[in-house]
Amino acid sequence: AQTVTQSQPEMSVQEAETVTLSCTYDTSESDYYLFWYKQPPSRQMILVIRQEAYKQQNATENRFSVNFQKAAKSFSLKISDSQLGDAAMYFCAYRSAGNYGGSQGNLIFGKGTKLSVKP
Amino acid sequence: NAGVMQNPRHLVRRRGQEARLRCSPMKGHSHVYWYRQLPEEGLKFMVYLQKENIIDESGMPKERFSAEFPKEGPSILRIQQVVRGDSAAYFCASSPIGKGDLHFGNGTRLTVT
Repeated sequence: AQTVTQSQPEMSVQEAETVTLSCTYDTSESDYYLFWYKQPPSRQMILVIRQEAYKQQNATENRFSVNFQKAAKSFSLKISDSQLGDAAMYFCAYRSAGNYGGSQGNLIFGKGTKLSVKP
Repeated sequence: NAGVMQNPRHLVRRRGQEARLRCSPMKGHSHVYWYRQLPEEGLKFMVYLQKENIIDESGMPKERFSAEFPKEGPSILRIQQVVRGDSAAYFCASSPIGKGDLHFGNGTRLTVT
């Protein structure tokens, strides 16, 4: 079974600085997707960035980028020029892209990292 | 274009009562997923449905929990005879196809007193 591990329960960053959130995962599959979701206090789950495992190029979305290391099964999120609105829980998630069996679309989440941004 | 709508936003039930959580997927989406989030935890998959079919319920407790997604109307997650351990946030997500990106609702926070 696939697992997702986020080893940093809490992180803190100064406004305008850069922070990296760690995520590792375990799978025997070769084809899958990885995601970072943001959950502010409003509880809404917001998709921040996605990465297809078959793509070697790291995904970027404005100030958000990932460092995807497939062999190491590592998928970290870098937030540049941190803003106060970035404060939230961040969840790393895995989804199989393979056999489209009964579990297709099922996301497996890590426990999350709580990010604080200091003004 | 409305997103995934969940109601109620908050639900309080006494032990032994029934809880019914509703989810209206985004327009054009026929795949619905339910997740549960316990305090200080990530979301855990419960069940995956298409219209009138349960595709995968491997994350659903065997007793007291059921889900449906009828041809017309919202998807319903039903919890019978609730216990304190059922207190959690329940999220619904939808996608247009089984491998499409999931769009989440704002969740229903269930509190069992």
